[in-house]
Amino acid sequence: DGGITQSPKYLFRKEGQNVTLSCEQNLNHDAMYWYRQDPGQGLRLIYYSQIVNDFQKGDIAEGYSVSREKKESFPLTVTSAQKNPTAFYLCASDPGGGGSDTQYFGPGTRLTVL
Amino acid sequence: GQNIDQPTEMTATEGAIVQINCTYQTSGFNGLFWYQQHAGEAPTFLSYNVLDGLEEKGRFSSFLSRSKGYSYLLLKELQMKDSASYLCAVMDSNYQLIWGAGTKLIIKP
Repeated sequence: DGGITQSPKYLFRKEGQNVTLSCEQNLNHDAMYWYRQDPGQGLRLIYYSQIVNDFQKGDIAEGYSVSREKKESFPLTVTSAQKNPTAFYLCASDPGGGGSDTQYFGPGTRLTVL
Repeated sequence: GQNIDQPTEMTATEGAIVQINCTYQTSGFNGLFWYQQHAGEAPTFLSYNVLDGLEEKGRFSSFLSRSKGYSYLLLKELQMKDSASYLCAVMDSNYQLIWGAGTKLIIKP
């Protein structure tokens, strides 16, 4: 079955630690995205990638980093520079090329900083 | 700036009809999406509108008026499983999705 997987489902981190969230897709999609979701707010774009080995900052990239070494994988690192990292993180993908492409979402990772 | 407005919360009765409104002000327009999101889960695609008018898909319909910057999602024959948040998102001129905060729909028996 094709889809997007994120791991882990829940993640706890101590302040000052970096943590990497996994996102894998087997939909053969070119474009991948990372969003952050906070209560009472819309999804906010952190980073996106339209093609392997290339990615762009979204609206709230500070304190985050990504890589896109493989088409299937787009991991997100939450660094200690992110001031308020506790949130629900969603990864998404679409075929790429803009237009009416529907984004498909992974199940999300809930990160809590202790 | 770019802005998407939706009601924060709505309550409806099982078996009834509910309309969730979305107004938007964006830099360009390349379509409007509605997604459903159950608590703690991923958003799932419901509908896409790029031309004015009504798109019907089973119990769900979505309407768009580009001149008014307005859309609504209409849910008929409500079921308890329809309790969820409904997210409106607009694709802007750069083909980036701008998301509303979502409308939490509570269904009562």
